[in-house]
Amino acid sequence: GAVVSQHPSWVICKSGTSVKIECRSLDFQATTMFWYRQFPKQSLMLMATSNEGSKATYEQGVEKDKFLINHASLTLSTLTVTSAHPEDSSFYICSGGAGVADTQYFGPGTRLTVL
Amino acid sequence: AQSVTQLGSHVSVSEGALVLLRCNYSSSVPPYLFWYVQYPNQGLQLLLKYTSAATLVKGINGFEAEFKKSETSFHLTKPSAHMSDAAEYFCAVSGGGSNYKLTFGKGTLLTVNP
Repeated sequence: GAVVSQHPSWVICKSGTSVKIECRSLDFQATTMFWYRQFPKQSLMLMATSNEGSKATYEQGVEKDKFLINHASLTLSTLTVTSAHPEDSSFYICSGGAGVADTQYFGPGTRLTVL
Repeated sequence: AQSVTQLGSHVSVSEGALVLLRCNYSSSVPPYLFWYVQYPNQGLQLLLKYTSAATLVKGINGFEAEFKKSETSFHLTKPSAHMSDAAEYFCAVSGGGSNYKLTFGKGTLLTVNP
């Protein structure tokens, strides 16, 4: 099956700093990538959708200046949490759409803890 | 608009027993339906998907689901539970076509008792 990786798998940072999370599709070209946030014991909340070479489309209530998304190639998307605060602590998961039967393949997630 | 309702936030079964996880959906267009499994501190793994072909879909690890349009349901079943099936299960719906957006249910935690 299609494989998506994320790096780092976990990160701890100080309040006010920025953190970058990478999402890579390893064996397919992801024309569309998605970023989700998941709070403990809850479902996934879609944050934004990005298409390669285009600006990301953010869901209502998601601050685009705080959560910067770049989809520079068909295999790489990055999420940068700028000026992180403790309330940004969460599990961030990306997924890639291969363009076949609308299946999204998910990365393993990144646990962000902001102190 | 689309939505997913998973009945039962927690299902507990004995090892070897039938697993039934319920999912009902709402969609204004013919839906694509998915079941994903999530183990603790991991991402989501695709179990199976329905994309308007056969209504009975077989997935990995012995799971299957049946699409019932009249009941707007897509319940997940497995004849015999294994300890390794303990995990969180998410049902999701998308509108198909170029709209990849998935709408997830709230998830069902499956515990398997020895």
